[in-house]
Amino acid sequence: DAKTTQPNSMESNEEEPVHLPCNHSTISGTDYIHWYRQLPSQGPEYVIHGLTSNVNNRMASLAIAEDRKSSTLILHRATLRDAAVYYCILRDVEGSQGNLIFGKGTKLSVKP
Amino acid sequence: AAGVIQSPRHLIKEKRETATLKCYPIPRHDTVYWYQQGPGQDPQFLISFYEKMQSDKGSIPDRFSAQQFSDYHSELNMSSLELGDSALYFCASSADGINTEAFFGQGTRLTVV
Repeated sequence: DAKTTQPNSMESNEEEPVHLPCNHSTISGTDYIHWYRQLPSQGPEYVIHGLTSNVNNRMASLAIAEDRKSSTLILHRATLRDAAVYYCILRDVEGSQGNLIFGKGTKLSVKP
Repeated sequence: AAGVIQSPRHLIKEKRETATLKCYPIPRHDTVYWYQQGPGQDPQFLISFYEKMQSDKGSIPDRFSAQQFSDYHSELNMSSLELGDSALYFCASSADGINTEAFFGQGTRLTVV
C-alpha cells in the first residue's frame, strides 16, 4: 500500500478554517484519497474522498494537487466538535476490496 | 439509519481464555473489516471479508480467526488471550466497491487480566 505522511498535530481556533495536509508521493493512478477522522472514544468516521478533482461535501473540502502527490483536507469553520485525529488513506481500486490502512494521522486541537 | 452494531461493548477475560466478538454490518453491506486499536495507537487492520469470503489479511495473530456468515454478520474469535490483546476492536462495513465509504461500529473494548 502506498504510504501517506501527515503532521503529528495541528491547532486551530474555533470558527477559523483549517487546512490539514497529506503527502502521498508514491500514489498510483488507481489510488483514491480518503479521509477519515476519529473523535475521542469513538470509531473512525468517513469525511471525504476523491481521485483527481477537488471535492466538496457538507463536512469538508478536499483539494488534490495536480500531480496527485499531495492533498489537503479543508474544514471551512472549525468547531470544538471537529477536535479529532484525522487520517489520510489511500485505497487502491484494483486487487482486494481496498482495505483502509490507517497510518499516523494528525491530531487536531480546536481552541475556543 | 441503521449503523454497524458490535457486541459486546465491553469484555473482560483472563489470560489464556477465549473471546468472541460479533459484528452486524449495515443491511445490504457485503464487506466487513476488523481493526484492533491499542491504547494511544492508530487502528491496525486485522482482516476483511467480501461476500462471506476472506478478502485480505493484515496483522492478525494466528491465535485469532474470523468469518463472515450467510447473513453477513461476522465474528472474530480470539484464543489463548494475552495481556497485549487488550484493546478496542472495531468492525466496519461497506457496500460493494472501492469508491464507497466504510462505516465503523462503536467498538468492543477487550480487557485481558
